[in-house]
Amino acid sequence: DVVMTQSPLSLPVTLGQPASISCRSSQSLVYSDGNTYLNWFQQRPGQSPRRLIYKVSNRDSGVPDRFSGSGSGTDFTLKISRVEAEDVGVYYCMQGTHPWTFGQGTKVEIK
Amino acid sequence: EVQLVESGGGLVQPGGSLRLSCAASGFTFSTYWMSWVRQAPGKGLEWVANIRQDGREKYYVDSVKGRFTISRDNAKNSLYLQMNSLRAEDTAIYYCAREISLGYWGQGTLVTVSS
Repeated sequence: DVVMTQSPLSLPVTLGQPASISCRSSQSLVYSDGNTYLNWFQQRPGQSPRRLIYKVSNRDSGVPDRFSGSGSGTDFTLKISRVEAEDVGVYYCMQGTHPWTFGQGTKVEIK
Repeated sequence: EVQLVESGGGLVQPGGSLRLSCAASGFTFSTYWMSWVRQAPGKGLEWVANIRQDGREKYYVDSVKGRFTISRDNAKNSLYLQMNSLRAEDTAIYYCAREISLGYWGQGTLVTVSS
């Protein structure tokens, strides 16, 4: 199975400052169809998860453009250009081929 | 508006069974893969199972193979998860999600396995 490793696991940030979360996979996520199925999710306290980014860098509808995804192969990054209070929560990466696996989660909190 | 509403959770003894349901609305249910994902208390997310549009292709995480069965009824816009031989480690919030890439999630239903 593909193991997804996120870092850091805890990320204290100052409002208005950038934040970056790394996600590494134990093998390449480039699928046979040429796509890379790497998604990012946000889970705010007490809420269900919400997808932010699909296929590495495609932002979902309604997701603020301060969120961006990048990467290739086995190394991926979620960036928040300027952290806002509503961004507090846990962020997960997930690879989308069988068996689907998530990273451990990165808890973003305000300093 | 896409809506996914799970139901059927509750307290069950080890070795018992439970059937979860997910009612879908706001999209053409029969055209999407559907998934179940769970989250143990205070822990991260774990994909459990998913099912193709016509129900003929299904995948499961190893820890539930042979015990859980995913199914769907496209006429009723509903997704199901039959859970048998439940164990304490199956205790979690179970989320229904649209697509393999989990584009939309329900609010979840809590399953507690305890004597």
